[in-house]
Amino acid sequence: QKEVEQNSGPLSVPEGAIASLNCTYSDRVSQSFFWYRQYSGKSPELIMSIYSNGDKEDGRFTAQLNKASQYVSLLIRDSQPSDSATYLCAVNRWDSSYKLIFGSGTRLLVRP
Amino acid sequence: DVKVTQSSRYLVKRTGEKVFLECVQDMDHENMFWYRQDPGLGLRLIYFSYDVKMKEKGDIPEGYSVSREKKERFSLILESASTNQTSMYLCASSEDGDTEAFFGQGTRLTVV
Repeated sequence: QKEVEQNSGPLSVPEGAIASLNCTYSDRVSQSFFWYRQYSGKSPELIMSIYSNGDKEDGRFTAQLNKASQYVSLLIRDSQPSDSATYLCAVNRWDSSYKLIFGSGTRLLVRP
Repeated sequence: DVKVTQSSRYLVKRTGEKVFLECVQDMDHENMFWYRQDPGLGLRLIYFSYDVKMKEKGDIPEGYSVSREKKERFSLILESASTNQTSMYLCASSEDGDTEAFFGQGTRLTVV
């Protein structure tokens, strides 16, 4: 089992729809969770961080965390073609110190 | 804004060469990371440093070494480059173990 798992996609949604991206992780002691967006040929950029169970909203983005189920998700409301990118889930892992471990990413396509 | 700068955007090296990839951050961050990114495999952690002269192996350290002589600079060294080290290399830094990481622009290394 991968430490951080994401569906590779592509996830295709029409413009204006809600895109739902999911991530599961295996390390129960993980405390910090992050979503990054990566455009083709570019480096990852942070969208959201979440540390507590529940929802965290920032503009059109909502991150959801459920530590009991070891599940973190990202909702994108009113999806735009410019949201088309690969979304990476990252989790800190304790291994003598905290290290940031990434999933392989979900590719999102927003159709005009 | 946090700035993480990698010394080269593109590099082409020959098999067997010793290769140095340099990374500098300007935010006095404690942690610095080196990842490689390959299609379908996501970002994989090569090495991590949490302080000057301190380093820890990530998930794929074989064939690599690192150096952190100053807080702001973290170097990745390919002792004897091989074709299977052709990849995108990404440097990142974070304030501490619980906070988000910021990425450099990436170095696309081709070993021929």
